[in-house]
Amino acid sequence: AQSVAQPEDQVNVAEGNPLTVKCTYSVSGNPYLFWYVQYPNRGLQFLLKYITGDNLVKGSYGFEAEFNKSQTSFHLKKPSALVSDSALYFCAVRDPYNNNDMRFGAGTRLTVKP
Amino acid sequence: GAVVSQHPSWVICKSGTSVKIECRSLDFQATTMFWYRQFPKQSLMLMATSNEGSKATYEQGVEKDKFLINHASLTLSTLTVTSAHPEDSSFYICSARRQNNYNEQFFGPGTRLTVL
Repeated sequence: AQSVAQPEDQVNVAEGNPLTVKCTYSVSGNPYLFWYVQYPNRGLQFLLKYITGDNLVKGSYGFEAEFNKSQTSFHLKKPSALVSDSALYFCAVRDPYNNNDMRFGAGTRLTVKP
Repeated sequence: GAVVSQHPSWVICKSGTSVKIECRSLDFQATTMFWYRQFPKQSLMLMATSNEGSKATYEQGVEKDKFLINHASLTLSTLTVTSAHPEDSSFYICSARRQNNYNEQFFGPGTRLTVL
């Protein structure tokens, strides 16, 4: 079965600095990878996805992620963090052979300090 | 487009009562809906998958008689927590997907259930 790992529970960055939220995956076949953001007491908001094509995927709010097959990673990045980016971020992988099976990582809490 | 709503956004109930949570796709037809449960500071755990007009498929360890799911129309799914107990207190999130579009799942804002 597929899975994702988010090795960091918490990431702290200063406003204006670049941020990276890490995600590694394990899947049989080609991975379908996603990033979501969750604000307090809210559902998940879609940021970006990788299905096929360019390894660098651009998404909402200036976020991007790079698919690295050799390292089985899909790290989320942003060149310049904003205080408003502070939230809980989830990486997810969907089984390419089971459309209903999406697995989420444990989440990484990003805190951007002014 | 692709908005999913949930009602209520929060609910407090007494132990032993049943609670119904609604999930609606407001501007698209959702042939498949998902129900997740999220404990504090933890990830989402899939509870069940429902297809319109069919019985829901429950994940291992989820009691189907405890968590009743109905997906009677293409825009509405309901989750009923029957005979709720304090350990059922959690954040419940639904998600919806259009027909034949497997790469986009839209999430509702969640429902906070507190059982006293």
